[in-house]
Amino acid sequence: KNEVEQSPQNLTAQEGEFITINCSYSVGISALHWLQQHPGGGIVSLFMLSSGKKKHGRLIATINIQEKHSSLHITASHPRDSAVYICAVHTDKLIFGTGTRLQVFP
Amino acid sequence: KAGVTQTPRYLIKTRGQQVTLSCSPISGHRSVSWYQQTPGQGLQFLFEYFSETQRNKGNFPGRFSGRQFSNSRSEMNVSTLELGDSALYLCASSEGSTYNEQFFGPGTRLTVL
Repeated sequence: KNEVEQSPQNLTAQEGEFITINCSYSVGISALHWLQQHPGGGIVSLFMLSSGKKKHGRLIATINIQEKHSSLHITASHPRDSAVYICAVHTDKLIFGTGTRLQVFP
Repeated sequence: KAGVTQTPRYLIKTRGQQVTLSCSPISGHRSVSWYQQTPGQGLQFLFEYFSETQRNKGNFPGRFSGRQFSNSRSEMNVSTLELGDSALYLCASSEGSTYNEQFFGPGTRLTVL
């Protein structure tokens, strides 16, 4: 079993829909990252969380340390949000989830 | 500030050769981490350097090595290349630690024939 599990693996949405991507982990962590990877490989760090909730524009990330679970929400999704979203947890190193491929259609 | 740069961007090698990849972090960042991304294994941590010292290492064979220079630039070397080493190699820099926000470079795509 992977130490970091993401769901769903693939997600298709219509423009404007509310999207949730989930991340569960089984190890003790000091922080959790949400990353975005566009075709071509470039990775952008969206959030780094150790507790509670963070918001940036249409993106919201939450974490529940007791339940070892985090969610990434995208409100009013747009085709430019189409990317792979990766959850990564910080132990003594970064451990990555397998990613969620999101496609948003106009 | 300029972002993280990696050179070369693309590389083709044959089995048995060795390769050196370079990463220049954002100015002022002292931590550089390296990652391997493959379709089968996803993203995996290779190692982290901070102030010229390897601070952490992932589960990769000794053929994978790295170093960091006094200007924080880092190099990664893979010796005796295998077909399975074909991957996107990413580096990321952060201010003091991987516990800070990480800024990723565009990656080097290595193909081993």
